[in-house]
Amino acid sequence: KAGVTQTPRYLIKTRGQQVTLSCSPISGHRSVSWYQQTPGQGLQFLFEYFSETQRNKGNFPGRFSGRQFSNSRSEMNVSTLELGDSALYLCASSLAQGTGGGNEQFFGPGTRLTVL
Amino acid sequence: AQKVTQAQTEISVVEKEDVTLDCVYETRDTTYYLFWYKQPPSGELVFLIRRNSFDEQNEISGRYSWNFQKSTSSFNFTITASQVVDSAVYFCALSEPTGGFKTIFGAGTRLFVKA
Repeated sequence: KAGVTQTPRYLIKTRGQQVTLSCSPISGHRSVSWYQQTPGQGLQFLFEYFSETQRNKGNFPGRFSGRQFSNSRSEMNVSTLELGDSALYLCASSLAQGTGGGNEQFFGPGTRLTVL
Repeated sequence: AQKVTQAQTEISVVEKEDVTLDCVYETRDTTYYLFWYKQPPSGELVFLIRRNSFDEQNEISGRYSWNFQKSTSSFNFTITASQVVDSAVYFCALSEPTGGFKTIFGAGTRLFVKA
């Protein structure tokens, strides 16, 4: 079974631009979660989608948004990029909503975003 | 409020030593789930173990073992006879109904295993 894939793997943008990251979950997984990982803040939950609906949202500004398609693929978008948005963005898929029922998450390799 | 605390930022051991990574969690829910994930230098988090709040049995998987103690809200992870390939960042995580089961990660413990 193919794992979670994320594209692109690396991205360089400038302040004020916007960016879209893509995540393809493991086949059969309906839940996709996004995380931001930085040296200072660690792993922080952004949002989670299940069956095309956002079911959970972390404490991030509205510049961060996402969506999920009928095939469970997900995209996240960051508008008006700031220097502090530089991070590794990780996508994780699981069988159920988030980790309800204790389902483990399977992570992709991440997209490293650098904002100049 | 900090939900998952991994007090050890970095640990350095020599190969074949045993090492324990500490994890203390905080929750008001009676049903919750605890996890350990490993993040090797390649960056991709790898699931290691899941434990629900009703199962306090310790678990052993090869050189890995986990000690879950509800009385002290701890879920510690021990690597026996560590190897260089164990070098990674290890994250403890909590998932609880309050907040919709989103996963809250600890800050991680970076483990260096020297040959």
